[in-house]
Amino acid sequence: QLQLQESGPGLVKPSETLSLTCTVSGGSISSSSYYWGWIRQPPGKGLEWIGSIYYSGSTYYNPSLKSRVTISVDTSKNQFSLKLSSVTAADTAVYYCARHEVDYPIDYWGQGTLVTVSS
Amino acid sequence: SYELTQPLSVSVALGQTARITCGGNNIGSKNVHWYQQKPGQAPVLVIYRDSNRPSGIPERFSGSNSGNTATLTISRAQAGDEADYYCQVWDSKVVFGGGTKLTVL
Repeated sequence: QLQLQESGPGLVKPSETLSLTCTVSGGSISSSSYYWGWIRQPPGKGLEWIGSIYYSGSTYYNPSLKSRVTISVDTSKNQFSLKLSSVTAADTAVYYCARHEVDYPIDYWGQGTLVTVSS
Repeated sequence: SYELTQPLSVSVALGQTARITCGGNNIGSKNVHWYQQKPGQAPVLVIYRDSNRPSGIPERFSGSNSGNTATLTISRAQAGDEADYYCQVWDSKVVFGGGTKLTVL
């Protein structure tokens, strides 16, 4: 059974860079056709897709966040990572990592991790 | 950019049928997926590619998609169906609807 687990600081200061890692177990991140993505959900609000990466390194980003987002993959560790720069309080959210194929649903989600932006 | 519109809330009497809509320009030409999210939990896929149920999802959950509206239908609504529901499509990127809170009365 595939499992995804987010890890990283739960508190980030304004203007700094938020960094999270998703560790994939029970399957290979190098599996063909699957994208590995990040989705966030501010408290009490809806889901927002941040971006996704293929094991080869090709990426899709949400245009509204693209200037601040970098998603990378480390196939040797079966992990992929998110960096979001210049954070503000508006970036406070539960961050989920997930798996999907192009034009297919998100079939696996991590449990989510709350990141708070505050000084 | 492509937008999906959902009602903020839908109410249904226990045992009756709930319908949650997802509007988008010519959404009928896209594959629509639906997720259920309960408080404090990650979303769970309940319908994929318009009308397909993943294993373990009750037959009470069904979906349709035509024209500018996709619909998630929950028959014989139960208290345990009370949750937020999100539609999602692929438009060269992942796009979510704003979510609908389903209340079972």
